[in-house]
Amino acid sequence: DGGITQSPKYLFRKEGQNVTLSCEQNLNHDAMYWYRQDPGQGLRLIYYSQIVNDFQKGDIAEGYSVSREKKESFPLTVTSAQKNPTAFYLCASSIGQGSQPQHFGDGTRLSIL
Amino acid sequence: GNSVTQMEGPVTLSEEAFLTINCTYTATGYPSLFWYVQYPGEGLQLLLKATKADDKGSNKGFEATYRKETTSFHLEKGSVQVSDSAVYFCALSESGGYQKVTFGTGTKLQVIP
Repeated sequence: DGGITQSPKYLFRKEGQNVTLSCEQNLNHDAMYWYRQDPGQGLRLIYYSQIVNDFQKGDIAEGYSVSREKKESFPLTVTSAQKNPTAFYLCASSIGQGSQPQHFGDGTRLSIL
Repeated sequence: GNSVTQMEGPVTLSEEAFLTINCTYTATGYPSLFWYVQYPGEGLQLLLKATKADDKGSNKGFEATYRKETTSFHLEKGSVQVSDSAVYFCALSESGGYQKVTFGTGTKLQVIP
């Protein structure tokens, strides 16, 4: 079955360390997204990509970076510049633009040691 | 800008009770509307959608009607089960080029036997 795979499920970061969250999809979707979810809040968009080798900042991009070298993959790096990285991170994809529903992975929970 | 407002949770119901979760939206154009469901420790799953006024989305006994005149998309189910316990998100996206998805803050539903 097609879907989105996020790894790892749990991740721990030391102060001053960069960490990378993996997101792979086999749905042949053009668009991919990264969201951050904090308790009691909705989803906030970090970055999105509509096509390979192109990506755009979302609402809370500071302290994060992404790449889109392959259609299937959209890794997110949480840099040491992100001062409050503890959250649940969700990756999503969609067929294309606008009103298409998004398909989500099962998330990665990042915590600070 | 666009916004989605959901009723505050948590909502606690007894099994077989009637469920309503209110959702209202603000949008500049003619958005598509979605309900997503999130089970503990998982990503979001699309529950249902509606793409134009007066459309009714339905799935797994849940339904919601796109009401343009009241800018609402309330989620309803006639008889909830314990397995429906989850967090429910209302969302919208506008068509025409890339339009980001705007999510509500989520409503937690707890169904007790």
